Amino acid sequence: TQLLEQSPQFLSIQEGENLTVYCNSSSVFSSLQWYRQEPGEGPVLLVTVVTGGEVKKLKRLTFQFGDARKDSSLHITAAQPGDTGLYLCAGAGNNDMRFGAGTRLTVKP
Amino acid sequence: DAGVIQSPRHEVTEMGQEVTLRCKPISGHDYLFWYRQTMMRGLELLIYFNNNVPIDDSGMPEDRFSAKMPNASFSTLKIQPSEPRDSAVYFCASSSHQPASSYEQYFGPGTRLTVT
Repeated sequence: TQLLEQSPQFLSIQEGENLTVYCNSSSVFSSLQWYRQEPGEGPVLLVTVVTGGEVKKLKRLTFQFGDARKDSSLHITAAQPGDTGLYLCAGAGNNDMRFGAGTRLTVKP
Repeated sequence: DAGVIQSPRHEVTEMGQEVTLRCKPISGHDYLFWYRQTMMRGLELLIYFNNNVPIDDSGMPEDRFSAKMPNASFSTLKIQPSEPRDSAVYFCASSSHQPASSYEQYFGPGTRLTVT
Protein backbone atom coordinates (compact mmCIF):
# COMPACT_ATOMS: atom_id res chain seq x y z
CA THR A 1 0.00 0.00 0.00
CA GLN A 2 1.35 3.41 -0.99
CA LEU A 3 0.68 5.76 1.90
CA LEU A 4 0.00 9.39 1.03
CA GLU A 5 0.29 12.00 3.75
CA GLN A 6 -1.29 15.38 3.29
CA SER A 7 -0.52 18.49 5.31
CA PRO A 8 -1.83 20.50 6.87
CA GLN A 9 -4.98 18.60 7.79
CA PHE A 10 -6.93 21.82 8.33
CA LEU A 11 -6.26 25.35 7.08
CA SER A 12 -8.31 28.47 7.70
CA ILE A 13 -7.24 31.72 6.04
CA GLN A 14 -8.59 35.11 5.02
CA GLU A 15 -9.59 35.98 1.50
CA GLY A 16 -6.61 37.25 -0.49
CA GLU A 17 -3.97 35.21 1.30
CA ASN A 18 -1.70 32.69 -0.39
CA LEU A 19 -1.35 29.09 0.75
CA THR A 20 0.42 25.85 -0.03
CA VAL A 21 -0.68 22.33 0.81
CA TYR A 22 1.46 19.25 0.53
CA CYS A 23 1.15 15.60 -0.43
CA ASN A 24 4.05 13.33 0.51
CA SER A 25 4.91 9.66 0.19
CA SER A 26 7.86 7.32 0.36
CA SER A 27 6.63 5.61 -2.80
CA VAL A 28 7.13 6.57 -6.43
CA PHE A 29 3.99 7.22 -8.46
CA SER A 30 3.39 6.96 -12.18
CA SER A 31 0.98 9.86 -11.88
CA LEU A 32 -0.62 11.98 -9.22
CA GLN A 33 -3.96 13.74 -9.20
CA TRP A 34 -5.42 16.56 -7.16
CA TYR A 35 -9.14 16.68 -6.47
CA ARG A 36 -11.39 19.20 -4.73
CA GLN A 37 -14.48 18.10 -2.89
CA GLU A 38 -17.25 20.42 -1.77
CA PRO A 39 -19.82 19.49 0.88
CA GLY A 40 -22.45 17.06 -0.37
CA GLU A 41 -20.62 16.32 -3.60
CA GLY A 42 -18.07 13.88 -4.93
CA PRO A 43 -14.43 14.80 -5.50
CA VAL A 44 -13.78 16.66 -8.74
CA LEU A 45 -10.54 16.22 -10.63
CA LEU A 46 -8.42 19.39 -10.81
CA VAL A 47 -5.21 18.21 -12.44
CA THR A 48 -3.00 15.24 -13.24
CA VAL A 49 0.79 15.43 -13.12
CA VAL A 50 2.90 12.73 -14.67
CA THR A 51 6.49 13.90 -15.15
CA GLY A 52 8.92 14.50 -12.29
CA GLY A 53 9.40 18.24 -11.78
CA GLU A 54 6.27 19.05 -13.75
CA VAL A 55 4.45 22.29 -12.95
CA LYS A 56 0.88 22.91 -14.02
CA LYS A 57 -1.17 26.05 -13.56
CA LEU A 58 -4.93 26.30 -13.37
CA LYS A 59 -5.81 29.98 -12.97
CA ARG A 60 -4.73 30.82 -9.40
CA LEU A 61 -3.73 27.23 -8.62
CA THR A 62 -0.21 25.94 -9.22
CA PHE A 63 0.55 22.23 -8.96
CA GLN A 64 4.03 20.78 -8.76
CA PHE A 65 5.16 17.17 -8.94
CA GLY A 66 8.41 16.40 -7.14
CA ASP A 67 11.48 15.47 -9.17
CA ALA A 68 11.42 11.94 -7.72
CA ARG A 69 7.66 11.61 -8.29
CA LYS A 70 7.06 10.95 -4.59
CA ASP A 71 5.48 14.21 -3.55
CA SER A 72 3.44 17.11 -4.79
CA SER A 73 2.31 20.56 -3.74
CA LEU A 74 -0.65 22.77 -4.49
CA HIS A 75 -0.24 26.53 -4.18
CA ILE A 76 -3.20 28.88 -4.29
CA THR A 77 -2.62 32.58 -4.91
CA ALA A 78 -5.05 35.16 -3.56
CA ALA A 79 -7.47 32.63 -2.14
CA GLN A 80 -11.19 33.26 -2.51
CA PRO A 81 -14.15 31.92 -0.51
CA GLY A 82 -15.00 29.77 -3.54
CA ASP A 83 -11.76 27.85 -2.98
CA THR A 84 -13.17 26.44 0.25
CA GLY A 85 -13.29 22.65 0.21
CA LEU A 86 -11.45 19.41 0.84
CA TYR A 87 -8.34 19.02 -1.31
CA LEU A 88 -7.36 15.42 -1.94
CA CYS A 89 -4.28 14.04 -3.64
CA ALA A 90 -4.24 10.58 -5.18
CA GLY A 91 -1.26 8.63 -6.37
CA ALA A 92 -1.30 5.90 -9.00
CA GLY A 93 1.15 3.09 -9.55
CA ASN A 94 1.31 -0.68 -9.96
CA ASN A 95 -2.36 -0.84 -10.98
CA ASP A 96 -3.20 0.77 -7.68
CA MET A 97 -4.46 4.19 -6.65
CA ARG A 98 -4.67 5.57 -3.13
CA PHE A 99 -6.02 8.83 -1.76
CA GLY A 100 -4.57 10.96 0.97
CA ALA A 101 -6.75 12.03 3.89
CA GLY A 102 -7.05 15.53 2.46
CA THR A 103 -6.57 19.13 3.52
CA ARG A 104 -9.74 20.90 4.57
CA LEU A 105 -9.43 24.54 3.47
CA THR A 106 -11.67 27.35 4.66
CA VAL A 107 -11.31 30.79 3.09
CA LYS A 108 -13.09 33.49 5.07
CA PRO A 109 -14.43 36.59 3.30
CA ASP B 1 -22.11 12.97 -20.98
CA ALA B 2 -24.26 12.71 -17.87
CA GLY B 3 -21.36 11.76 -15.62
CA VAL B 4 -21.40 8.98 -13.06
CA ILE B 5 -24.91 8.37 -11.77
CA GLN B 6 -25.60 6.97 -8.31
CA SER B 7 -28.85 6.01 -6.64
CA PRO B 8 -30.29 6.53 -4.20
CA ARG B 9 -28.76 9.83 -3.06
CA HIS B 10 -29.87 9.20 0.51
CA GLU B 11 -30.75 5.97 2.28
CA VAL B 12 -31.93 5.56 5.84
CA THR B 13 -32.43 2.03 7.07
CA GLU B 14 -32.61 0.05 10.26
CA MET B 15 -29.88 -2.21 11.50
CA GLY B 16 -30.14 -5.68 10.01
CA GLN B 17 -31.77 -4.60 6.77
CA GLU B 18 -30.27 -5.17 3.33
CA VAL B 19 -29.03 -2.11 1.48
CA THR B 20 -28.28 -1.93 -2.25
CA LEU B 21 -26.45 1.00 -3.77
CA ARG B 22 -26.38 1.48 -7.53
CA CYS B 23 -23.97 3.05 -9.98
CA LYS B 24 -23.93 3.81 -13.69
CA PRO B 25 -20.42 4.71 -14.86
CA ILE B 26 -19.53 7.07 -17.68
CA SER B 27 -20.04 5.35 -21.02
CA GLY B 28 -16.78 4.01 -22.41
CA HIS B 29 -14.97 3.89 -19.07
CA ASP B 30 -13.53 0.47 -18.38
CA TYR B 31 -12.72 0.90 -14.67
CA LEU B 32 -15.24 1.27 -11.86
CA PHE B 33 -14.44 2.01 -8.23
CA TRP B 34 -16.46 1.93 -5.02
CA TYR B 35 -15.33 4.14 -2.13
CA ARG B 36 -16.57 4.85 1.37
CA GLN B 37 -15.97 8.21 3.03
CA THR B 38 -16.25 9.06 6.72
CA MET B 39 -14.85 11.89 8.78
CA MET B 40 -12.77 9.46 10.80
CA ARG B 41 -11.27 7.36 7.99
CA GLY B 42 -11.45 9.64 4.98
CA LEU B 43 -11.91 8.17 1.50
CA GLU B 44 -11.39 4.41 1.46
CA LEU B 45 -11.26 2.25 -1.65
CA LEU B 46 -13.55 -0.75 -1.21
CA ILE B 47 -13.29 -2.55 -4.55
CA TYR B 48 -12.61 -1.85 -8.18
CA PHE B 49 -13.51 -3.53 -11.45
CA ASN B 50 -11.81 -3.61 -14.84
CA ASN B 51 -13.98 -4.61 -17.78
CA ASN B 52 -16.66 -5.82 -15.33
CA VAL B 53 -14.23 -8.13 -13.50
CA PRO B 54 -13.39 -7.47 -9.83
CA ILE B 55 -9.65 -6.80 -9.59
CA ASP B 56 -9.05 -5.84 -5.98
CA ASP B 57 -11.59 -6.30 -3.19
CA SER B 58 -9.11 -6.08 -0.33
CA GLY B 59 -10.82 -2.95 0.93
CA MET B 60 -14.19 -4.60 1.44
CA PRO B 61 -14.69 -4.51 5.23
CA GLU B 62 -16.17 -7.96 5.69
CA ASP B 63 -18.44 -10.59 4.22
CA ARG B 64 -21.48 -8.41 4.77
CA PHE B 65 -20.33 -6.33 1.80
CA SER B 66 -20.55 -7.55 -1.78
CA ALA B 67 -20.27 -5.86 -5.16
CA LYS B 68 -21.24 -6.90 -8.65
CA MET B 69 -20.86 -5.51 -12.14
CA PRO B 70 -23.11 -7.53 -14.45
CA ASN B 71 -22.39 -5.31 -17.44
CA ALA B 72 -20.35 -2.28 -18.47
CA SER B 73 -23.07 0.18 -17.54
CA PHE B 74 -24.16 -0.96 -14.11
CA SER B 75 -22.75 -1.92 -10.73
CA THR B 76 -24.18 -2.57 -7.29
CA LEU B 77 -22.77 -2.52 -3.78
CA LYS B 78 -24.79 -4.53 -1.30
CA ILE B 79 -24.62 -4.60 2.48
CA GLN B 80 -26.43 -7.44 4.21
CA PRO B 81 -27.08 -7.17 7.09
CA SER B 82 -26.40 -3.48 7.62
CA GLU B 83 -24.97 -2.13 10.88
CA PRO B 84 -24.80 1.41 12.33
CA ARG B 85 -21.03 1.51 11.73
CA ASP B 86 -21.71 1.23 8.00
CA SER B 87 -23.13 4.76 8.03
CA ALA B 88 -21.05 6.78 5.57
CA VAL B 89 -21.12 8.36 2.13
CA TYR B 90 -20.49 5.79 -0.58
CA PHE B 91 -19.02 6.99 -3.84
CA CYS B 92 -18.77 5.32 -7.19
CA ALA B 93 -16.13 6.49 -9.66
CA SER B 94 -15.15 5.47 -13.15
CA SER B 95 -12.09 6.00 -15.30
CA SER B 96 -10.55 5.17 -18.60
CA HIS B 97 -6.89 4.39 -18.59
CA GLN B 98 -6.30 5.85 -22.00
CA PRO B 99 -3.67 7.23 -21.96
CA ALA B 100 -2.54 4.46 -19.65
CA SER B 101 -0.74 6.68 -17.21
CA SER B 102 -3.62 8.96 -16.31
CA TYR B 103 -5.78 7.01 -13.80
CA GLU B 104 -8.07 10.03 -13.65
CA GLN B 105 -11.28 9.19 -11.86
CA TYR B 106 -14.69 10.78 -12.21
CA PHE B 107 -16.88 10.53 -9.16
CA GLY B 108 -20.62 10.32 -8.75
CA PRO B 109 -22.51 12.48 -6.25
CA GLY B 110 -22.47 9.75 -3.63
CA THR B 111 -25.07 7.92 -1.56
CA ARG B 112 -25.38 9.03 2.04
CA LEU B 113 -26.24 5.92 4.05
CA THR B 114 -27.56 6.13 7.59
CA VAL B 115 -28.12 2.92 9.50
CA THR B 116 -30.07 3.37 12.74
